[in-house]
Amino acid sequence: DTEVTQTPKHLVMGMTNKKSLKCEQHMGHRAMYWYKQKAKKPPELMFVYSYEKLSINESVPSRFSPECPNSSLLNLHLHALQPEDSALYLCASRRVEGSGTEAFFGQGTRLTVV
Amino acid sequence: GESVGLHLPTLSVQEGDNSIINCAYSNSASDYFIWYKQESGKGPQFIIDIRSNMDKRQGQRVTVLLNKTVKHLSLQIAATQPGDSAVYFCAENIHKLIFGTGTRLQVFP
Repeated sequence: DTEVTQTPKHLVMGMTNKKSLKCEQHMGHRAMYWYKQKAKKPPELMFVYSYEKLSINESVPSRFSPECPNSSLLNLHLHALQPEDSALYLCASRRVEGSGTEAFFGQGTRLTVV
Repeated sequence: GESVGLHLPTLSVQEGDNSIINCAYSNSASDYFIWYKQESGKGPQFIIDIRSNMDKRQGQRVTVLLNKTVKHLSLQIAATQPGDSAVYFCAENIHKLIFGTGTRLQVFP
């Protein structure tokens, strides 16, 4: 099983809403990532979790709050977002952080903030 | 600094021809590189990787070349097919995976 599963696939939320994005992998990977991708742009790293601990926060605004409940799950809690936060949010996992191994990506959650 | 860039934003090729997608990187400490393919509305899909101690690696219809002297990476796709149409990203690994700007490959009959 080399799959990273993200839910939901699409999400529309108002600026006052609270929502969560979910990501799951069962490959035994100990590094998990959140990326943000705007249209026609490359994925931009947001957060890295290594062994369930936050390892990297790329100066992401606090309205994005990551959580790693266990080694298989990664959440991204959203609150008071802005329309410019609309993007494709990608989750990825790797065997270990920084390793010379591929990162597996989910299909993403298409987020629209209205 | 850390940056990965591509020379061509769009590449159009005829079906059956070979495609070459180029990528420049600036961090000589990068130890591992990956090429990803991303189709519309989907997540990036692994194509091929190469470690910094290698110059060339071949897969099925794809070859990656690494020139550390000029910090250049290329992806060669043999006998390009319509299903190869997508955006291709190179990614550079230092302690984290950083993506280049991407090249759109268009295959026409």
